[in-house]
Amino acid sequence: QKEVEQNSGPLSVPEGAIASLNCTYSDRGSQSFFWYRQYSGKSPELIMSIYSNGDKEDGRFTAQLNKASQYVSLLIRDSQPSDSATYLCAVNGARVTGGGNKLTFGTGTQLKVEL
Amino acid sequence: ETGVTQTPRHLVMGMTNKKSLKCEQHLGHNAMYWYKQSAKKPLELMFVYSLEERVENNSVPSRFSPECPNSSHLFLHLHTLQPEDSALYLCASSQDLGTDYSNQPQHFGDGTRLSIL
Repeated sequence: QKEVEQNSGPLSVPEGAIASLNCTYSDRGSQSFFWYRQYSGKSPELIMSIYSNGDKEDGRFTAQLNKASQYVSLLIRDSQPSDSATYLCAVNGARVTGGGNKLTFGTGTQLKVEL
Repeated sequence: ETGVTQTPRHLVMGMTNKKSLKCEQHLGHNAMYWYKQSAKKPLELMFVYSLEERVENNSVPSRFSPECPNSSHLFLHLHTLQPEDSALYLCASSQDLGTDYSNQPQHFGDGTRLSIL
């Protein structure tokens, strides 16, 4: 069983629409959740972090967390062509030997915003 | 400079070569990481350093050898690599390792695209 699951896509949405990206995770004890955006050939860029149940908004981005159902989602309002990228979900997971814990990443969802 | 800087951006090497990847972070962070990113696969954590001490070796073959001389610099020494080692190698840093089940966000460098002939 994958620890962090995402639909690989591509998810195609028209410009100006809301894009909804979903992620489920297996470790019920996880407390930290992150969304990264990765353009082709570039490194992952942190766009949102969320630690508590509910919604967290930052500009056009809203992260939603439901720990009981073990899913986290990212909504992008007024989608723009520049939002076309792969979105990686990351969840804290297994302990690191020296303390703290690892981030476990999903395979990412490719988003395409069409004109 | 700010953020996390990786050099070189691209590297092509033969299977018998020895090369090193370099990472430098200017964020004042205490934890640094090496990841491997292959097509269609999740990011794979390779090594974790905290305050220059290696705290995790995620079952990585010995042909990859990390070095962390100080909290700002991280190296990955490569020797006798295999074609399947061709990938994007990403360095990241975070303020610290975090606590039980709680992480600080990690910030990534632009990566080194490695190709093994």
